[in-house]
Amino acid sequence: SQTIHQWPATLVQPVGSPLSLECTVEGTSNPNLYWYRQAAGRGLQLLFYSVGIGQISSEVPQNLSASRPQDRQFILSSKKLLLSDSGFYLCALEGTKVYGYTFGSGTRLTVV
Amino acid sequence: KNEVEQSPQNLTAQEGEFITINCSYSVGISALHWLQQHPGGGIVSLFMLSSGKKKHGRLIATINIQEKHSSLHITASHPRDSAVYICAVVFGNEKLTFGTGTRLTIIP
Repeated sequence: SQTIHQWPATLVQPVGSPLSLECTVEGTSNPNLYWYRQAAGRGLQLLFYSVGIGQISSEVPQNLSASRPQDRQFILSSKKLLLSDSGFYLCALEGTKVYGYTFGSGTRLTVV
Repeated sequence: KNEVEQSPQNLTAQEGEFITINCSYSVGISALHWLQQHPGGGIVSLFMLSSGKKKHGRLIATINIQEKHSSLHITASHPRDSAVYICAVVFGNEKLTFGTGTRLTIIP
């Protein structure tokens, strides 16, 4: 079965510090992977998606970037965090019509 | 425009009550997910539906394709069911679109 490992679960970072959130998948190859963010009081919004190694598409302009260095690894980064980057970040794996999407457990980021 | 709406936004109930959370969407879909977000933030996938009804323990999810509507039911609710419940939809071959969630609080 397909699984996603996402870490850390919670993170508190000062403004201006860098960020790296990692998502790795098991049980599948060449997956479509997604990063979503949930700001306070809002629904999850798509940030980036990747259909393969080195292929990244951005849905909204922002202070963040994403990379896909390996087939089963998807990384969300920032060089300098802003207060507005606080929120809940979720990695997702697009599955089959039978199994649907698989979700990481999420990371709650607080920028202080 | 592809939209997902959930209702109610907030729901408080007594332990043991039957709970219904609703999700409506604007156009045809290929799949619908129900997710549970714990107070600490972690996401758990509850169901994926494309038609009919699914049941897992005290949770039941239904979908009516013609009416573009899905419901999540919780029988014999318990305080540990307190969480945010999120509906997420795949419109055709597009990516997931999430509802804003329903915050459920079950009082002992």
